[in-house]
Amino acid sequence: DVKVTQSSRYLVKRTGEKVFLECVQDMDHENMFWYRQDPGLGLRLIYFSYDVKMKEKGDIPEGYSVSREKKERFSLILESASTNQTSMYLCASSLGRYGTGGNGYTFGSGTRLTVV
Amino acid sequence: DAKTTQPNSMESNEEEPVHLPCNHSTISGTDYIHWYRQLPSQGPEYVIHGLTSNVNNRMASLAIAEDRKSSTLILHRATLRDAAVYYCIPEPISNFGNEKLTFGTGTRLTIIP
Repeated sequence: DVKVTQSSRYLVKRTGEKVFLECVQDMDHENMFWYRQDPGLGLRLIYFSYDVKMKEKGDIPEGYSVSREKKERFSLILESASTNQTSMYLCASSLGRYGTGGNGYTFGSGTRLTVV
Repeated sequence: DAKTTQPNSMESNEEEPVHLPCNHSTISGTDYIHWYRQLPSQGPEYVIHGLTSNVNNRMASLAIAEDRKSSTLILHRATLRDAAVYYCIPEPISNFGNEKLTFGTGTRLTIIP
């Protein structure tokens, strides 16, 4: 079964800490995405990547950065965590333009991050 | 980007058909219509997508209005496992394969046993 795996289901960090959220997919997908989900706001796109070492800003990139050194891994970095970054973080991947087209995104189960 | 309007919530009885509407009156003629759903405590999952004609797969059917300003996701026989938030998302066909999907707040579907 194809999978997107997020390293932690729950995470508690202190304000000001540097936080790494890891996401790995085993489907040889080209595209990877990071979203955050908050009540009443739906899913909002933070960053995405269409290829290794490529990254593009989504709708709410402020306070975040990403790294994609290998095709299967896409990391979200909170340089200095703040309480307003407490949220559910969801990683997704998709086949990409060079594949055979789409059955859309495959999402991970999410990481619930609490910043105290 | 096309704006979508979906009911905040809907209820349906188990084993009945469910019709989930989506209004996308500003959709471009070259936008696919994607549907995803999010089960409790899980990430969203792909349901179906289409462009102009109606589409069917093992999960659902998608009926697209002739003017493409609205679409309806049809679950033919709802089960308790279909209780989820359903998202309707337009996306330009030019992005096919490299979609950058914008999720709204969707419709929360409750299934009544």
